[in-house]
Amino acid sequence: GAVVSQHPSRVICKSGTSVKIECRSLDFQATTMFWYRQFPKQSLMLMATSNEGSKATYEQGVEKDKFLINHASLTLSTLTVTSAHPEDSSFYICSAGVQGVGEQYFGPGTRLTVT
Amino acid sequence: DAKTTQPPSMDCAEGRAANLPCNHSTISGNEYVYWYRQIHSQGPQYIIHGLKNNETNEMASLIITEDRKSSTLILPHATLRDTAVYYCIVRVDGNYQLIWGAGTKLIIKP
Repeated sequence: GAVVSQHPSRVICKSGTSVKIECRSLDFQATTMFWYRQFPKQSLMLMATSNEGSKATYEQGVEKDKFLINHASLTLSTLTVTSAHPEDSSFYICSAGVQGVGEQYFGPGTRLTVT
Repeated sequence: DAKTTQPPSMDCAEGRAANLPCNHSTISGNEYVYWYRQIHSQGPQYIIHGLKNNETNEMASLIITEDRKSSTLILPHATLRDTAVYYCIVRVDGNYQLIWGAGTKLIIKP
């Protein structure tokens, strides 16, 4: 149980375009979803926390207008990187949690390359 | 900042026990010790967690010192597939927040 999927697993896009990454909880309803970014040889950095039906809470230094997060249902959250630039190239990981349980279940990650 | 310190890297021979240390000298009474690992280009994987008693599951054992200021994750019979970065994190149970340090890169050698 507690499986989280991400789609796509790998995406290459051109500079200036937008790309959407989906995060789904497959066998449970996630009240909260998290988005992380990980640069090569670095640890995970939390970007934002989203609760179903409400606006996401972004960490300091993360541009909310650039990284659009939508958590429209209890099983789906999306991260849209708008006007992507090469410096946005990174490994994006989502996780999902159940209120009151406090555990995070991680997706397999999405490798974004902006050319 | 992460509340734990870990060695940056370790080697272990395949088939031997891998012992990964973690210092968490400022741990609070209501904070648990969690261990995750991340295999290259994958999402993190939960391994084990504990409060003060030693814990064991199908993946590993967790030994927490009596003063709770440090712990050791033990992989009893390491395989090549255990090569990964291992993260030790302290957190309050029920609180989502995970603060990721640099972790220990464990390399299992044949």
